[in-house]
Amino acid sequence: GENVEQHPSTLSVQEGDSAVIKCTYSDSASNYFPWYKQELGKRPQLIIDIRSNVGEKKDQRIAVTLNKTAKHFSLHITETQPEDSAVYFCAASSATDKLIFGTGTRLQVFP
Amino acid sequence: ETGVTQTPRHLVMGMTNKKSLKCEQHLGHNAMYWYKQSAKKPLELMFVYNFKEQTENNSVPSRFSPECPNSSHLFLHLHTLQPEDSALYLCASSQAGSSNNEQFFGPGTRLTVL
Repeated sequence: GENVEQHPSTLSVQEGDSAVIKCTYSDSASNYFPWYKQELGKRPQLIIDIRSNVGEKKDQRIAVTLNKTAKHFSLHITETQPEDSAVYFCAASSATDKLIFGTGTRLQVFP
Repeated sequence: ETGVTQTPRHLVMGMTNKKSLKCEQHLGHNAMYWYKQSAKKPLELMFVYNFKEQTENNSVPSRFSPECPNSSHLFLHLHTLQPEDSALYLCASSQAGSSNNEQFFGPGTRLTVL
C-alpha cells in the first residue's frame, strides 16, 4: 500500500532560524500533499497544502516544495518563533481522498 | 457548536466493557474518517465513509465496529478491547470529490483500556 516517510522525527532550532521537514511518498498517483500542525493537546490543523501541478507554494513564513520526479516534498519554516513548536505531519493523497500520514516531526523552537 | 465535535473526550474502560465513541460534523461534508493516534504509530487511518458508505477498512480488528447513520454522524463501537488499544481516537470530515481535500479534525477521544 501507499507509504509516506517523514524526517526528522525531532527537530530543535533557535528562535529566528529556519526549519525544514522532508517527506517521501511511494504512490506515483498521489496528487495532493497537505501539512498539518498539532499543538500539544490539540487537534491537527491544516497549515498549508500543495497539488501536483505546482512545484512550490508559500504563505508568509511557511513554504512547501514538491519534486514529483523524486516523489518528495518538504516544509520550510523561516524566522521560527516559539509558537511554531508543535508536531508537524505531512500527508499524501490520490484521487480517493484518503490521506496517508507521515510519522510526524516534533519541532521545538527555543527562545 | 461548529466544526467537528467528539464525545466523550476521555474514556476509561475495562477489557470486557462495551462503549461507543461519537463524532458529529457541522460542516456539510460528505466524508468522515476515524484515525487512531498513538505514540508508536501516529495518525493511523482506520475507516473511511463516503456518502454514508464505508469505502475503507484498514485491516482494523473486528473489536472496532464503525457506524455511519448519516453524513453528519459517525460512531465507533468498542467491545472486548485490549490494553494496546489505548490511544487518542480522532474523527475527521472532508468534502470528498471537491477541489479541496482538506480534512477537519475533531478534538479526539482519549481512550484508556485497563
